[in-house]
Amino acid sequence: DGGITQSPKYLFRKEGQNVTLSCEQNLNHDAMYWYRQDPGQGLRLIYYSQIVNDFQKGDIAEGYSVSREKKESFPLTVTSAQKNPTAFYLCASSPGGARADTQYFGPGTRLTVL
Amino acid sequence: AQSVSQHNHHVILSEAASLELGCNYSYGGTVNLFWYVQYPGQHLQLLLKYFSGDPLVKGIKGFEAEFIKSKFSFNLRKPSVQWSDTAEYFCAVSPIGAAGNKLTFGGGTRVLVKP
Repeated sequence: DGGITQSPKYLFRKEGQNVTLSCEQNLNHDAMYWYRQDPGQGLRLIYYSQIVNDFQKGDIAEGYSVSREKKESFPLTVTSAQKNPTAFYLCASSPGGARADTQYFGPGTRLTVL
Repeated sequence: AQSVSQHNHHVILSEAASLELGCNYSYGGTVNLFWYVQYPGQHLQLLLKYFSGDPLVKGIKGFEAEFIKSKFSFNLRKPSVQWSDTAEYFCAVSPIGAAGNKLTFGGGTRVLVKP
């Protein structure tokens, strides 16, 4: 089955701890994205990567970090510097390249910081 | 920076009623436009998209949207809704030529269809 997997589905952490959210895709897509979804605010872009070993900040990158060592993987670390980390996190991928294309989304991870 | 506004946060209607969800964006250049839908407990998935050509686009499950460039709008419509259309709907835009094909989303509209 081709698609995007995110794990875990639910994650609980204590305040002050870093936590890493997993995102894997087997669609052979070049581009990958991380969004944060909050009620009434839609999705906001945290980081994106157009190609392996390269990534760019999105609109709300503060308190987050990413890596893109492999084409199929784009993990997101929520650091203790993120002031309001409790949210629903969505990973997406697209074929990439110069032409705009549809982004395909994973099932999401709901992070709760206690 | 571009922004996307969805006028209604919540919509409640009965089965067989018609649905129209508003979406306006602010961006001076050319954009690609999308509607995504998130059914309860499911992935966010593409409903329809507009890149170029006929401004009236048809998507899955009987949905359609019309791009009106002069009004910076991309409203979503369905003539007769079903209970299974209960979901949250998101409008999104991507400026053509923008690095990374970044999407800017609206705040979403929660639609509840009563049986």
